[in-house]
Amino acid sequence: GAVVSQHPSWVICKSGTSVKIECRSLDFQATTMFWYRQFPKQSLMLMATSNEGSKATYEQGVEKDKFLINHASLTLSTLTVTSAHPEDSSFYICSASRVYGTNEKLFFGSGTQLSVL
Amino acid sequence: AQKITQTQPGMFVQEKEAVTLDCTYDTSDQSYGLFWYKQPSSGEMIFLIYQGSYDEQNATEGRYSLNFQKARKSANLVISASQLGDSAMYFCAMRGRPGGGNKLTFGTGTQLKVEL
Repeated sequence: GAVVSQHPSWVICKSGTSVKIECRSLDFQATTMFWYRQFPKQSLMLMATSNEGSKATYEQGVEKDKFLINHASLTLSTLTVTSAHPEDSSFYICSASRVYGTNEKLFFGSGTQLSVL
Repeated sequence: AQKITQTQPGMFVQEKEAVTLDCTYDTSDQSYGLFWYKQPSSGEMIFLIYQGSYDEQNATEGRYSLNFQKARKSANLVISASQLGDSAMYFCAMRGRPGGGNKLTFGTGTQLKVEL
């Protein structure tokens, strides 16, 4: 079946540094990918929609200059947390959309736990 | 705007029993899709089942079935013959019109614990 790979699975960084998270669709082309954020014991909150070859669409309240999204190819989207601070510590998870005829499925990566010291 | 409501923060079920996880939704879209995902403690999101708003039959996938009642705007997940490995967080989600890369709106989740 379709697989979405997310890397790294966890990262610890110092405050003020930038962290890049990759999301790859391994056996299908994904024109659209989504980035979510999840705090402990809470639901997933959509941060942005990543569209191949165009600018990402950010949800209200998400700083686009802080959370840089690049979707340069049909199989790769990256999320860069710039100048990370402790309040950015969270679980980040991506998903990729695959169309099967008239149906569509969303497959998720395994997530990235970010801890900013 | 779309809204998903899961009113059960936590559920217990005995092994081999069936359990129903509740989900109600609100949308003004005529065409939409409903999903259930499982999130074990490892954090990954595992797709379980999908129901399209125009599908006349309830979706089934192995031990998972979706009790879709369109008039009541409910899409409850039924897990039959529960197993210890079913212990996880379960999220109901909705998407607007199929295709087009529409975003998912998630409910707050239900933590399921399967006991011996």
